[in-house]
Amino acid sequence: KAGVTQTPRYLIKTRGQQVTLSCSPISGHRSVSWYQQTPGQGLQFLFEYFSETQRNKGNFPGRFSGRQFSNSRSEMNVSTLELGDSALYLCASSAGTAYNEQFFGPGTRLTVL
Amino acid sequence: TQLLEQSPQFLSIQEGENLTVYCNSSSVFSSLQWYRQEPGEGPVLLVTVVTGGEVKKLKRLTFQFGDARKDSSLHITAAQPGDTGLYLCAGLWGGSNYKLTFGKGTLLTVNP
Repeated sequence: KAGVTQTPRYLIKTRGQQVTLSCSPISGHRSVSWYQQTPGQGLQFLFEYFSETQRNKGNFPGRFSGRQFSNSRSEMNVSTLELGDSALYLCASSAGTAYNEQFFGPGTRLTVL
Repeated sequence: TQLLEQSPQFLSIQEGENLTVYCNSSSVFSSLQWYRQEPGEGPVLLVTVVTGGEVKKLKRLTFQFGDARKDSSLHITAAQPGDTGLYLCAGLWGGSNYKLTFGKGTLLTVNP
């Protein structure tokens, strides 16, 4: 079974631009979660989608948004990029069991200049 | 907001040594997971513990869930350079609507 894939793997943007990241979950998984990882803050939860509906949301500003399609693929968008948005963005899919065990992709490394 | 505290934050040891890392919370978790993340990759699930007092073994790794389900530990016996990585714990608590809370991790370096 193929794992979670994320595109692109690396991205360089400038302040004020917007960016869209893509995630394809493991086949059959209906839950997709997004995390931001930085050395100082660790792994921070952005949001989770389950069957195209946002099920949970973290404490990030409205510039961060996401969506999930009927095939469970998900995208996240960050508008008006700031320097502090530079981070590794991780996507994880889950089969939706009671423990919500996460299967992570390799991440997208976003650098904002 | 549920918080998980992991300690130590950094750990550097020699090959062959034993080590224990800890994950603590003031809240009771319904389950707890441990992940390992290697540089340039996403975290990989190692184990899920559910029952208070539960002990699980994965080769040289031993995971324990505290009796009160507020803490967990990971013990590695005879560490090897391949164990190097960031160890993350993540908790799920009742009423969280399946939202996991991650600790900040323990960065382990095993020197040959």
